[in-house]
Amino acid sequence: QVQLRESGPGLLKPSQTLSLTCNVSGGSISSSGYYWSWIRQHPGRGLEWIGYIYHSGSTFYNPSLKSRAIIAVDLSKNQASLRLSSVTVADTAVYYCAEGTLVSAFETWGQGTMVIVSS
Amino acid sequence: SYALTQPPSMSVAPGQTARISCGGNNIGSKSVHWYQQRPGQAPVLVVSDDSDRPSGIPERFSGANSGNTATLTISSVEAGDEADYFCQVWDSHSALFGGGTKLTVL
Repeated sequence: QVQLRESGPGLLKPSQTLSLTCNVSGGSISSSGYYWSWIRQHPGRGLEWIGYIYHSGSTFYNPSLKSRAIIAVDLSKNQASLRLSSVTVADTAVYYCAEGTLVSAFETWGQGTMVIVSS
Repeated sequence: SYALTQPPSMSVAPGQTARISCGGNNIGSKSVHWYQQRPGQAPVLVVSDDSDRPSGIPERFSGANSGNTATLTISSVEAGDEADYFCQVWDSHSALFGGGTKLTVL
């Protein structure tokens, strides 16, 4: 049973770069057919997909983030990562990593990590 | 751009049936997935590909999808089913979520 755990700084100032890590345990991030997504949830709001990566390095992003997001994998550490540049208070949210096959359901989610952007 | 519409809230008495809708243009041509999110917890997949139940999800949870509406049905509702429910599809390589429905068990 794959388990995901997100980690990263909980507090940022506007204009800084957010960096989060998703640690994968109980399975390999190189598993064939599985894609690793980042999804966020603004306080009291719905879910917003940020993007996904395959272990080959291929990525796809939500166009609404206007190229601020970069998702990467570190096969040696069995981790995925998210970098979000030029953050604003609107980026305050709980950030989740999730696993699933391409254009299918998100089968496994991490517990999420809260990120607050405040001056 | 494609959009999914869910009722913001609904309430049901214990033992009754809850039907949560997810509307979208010709959504019947897409695969719809449903997630349950209890307060303070991460979402959990309860129905995939319109009507498949992942391992460990009770048979009380079922799904259907046709035309412009997908529906998550929860039969014999229990207090523990009180949660937010989100539908999700893929459109042009992007994952889209409905706004969520807060289910209250009376």
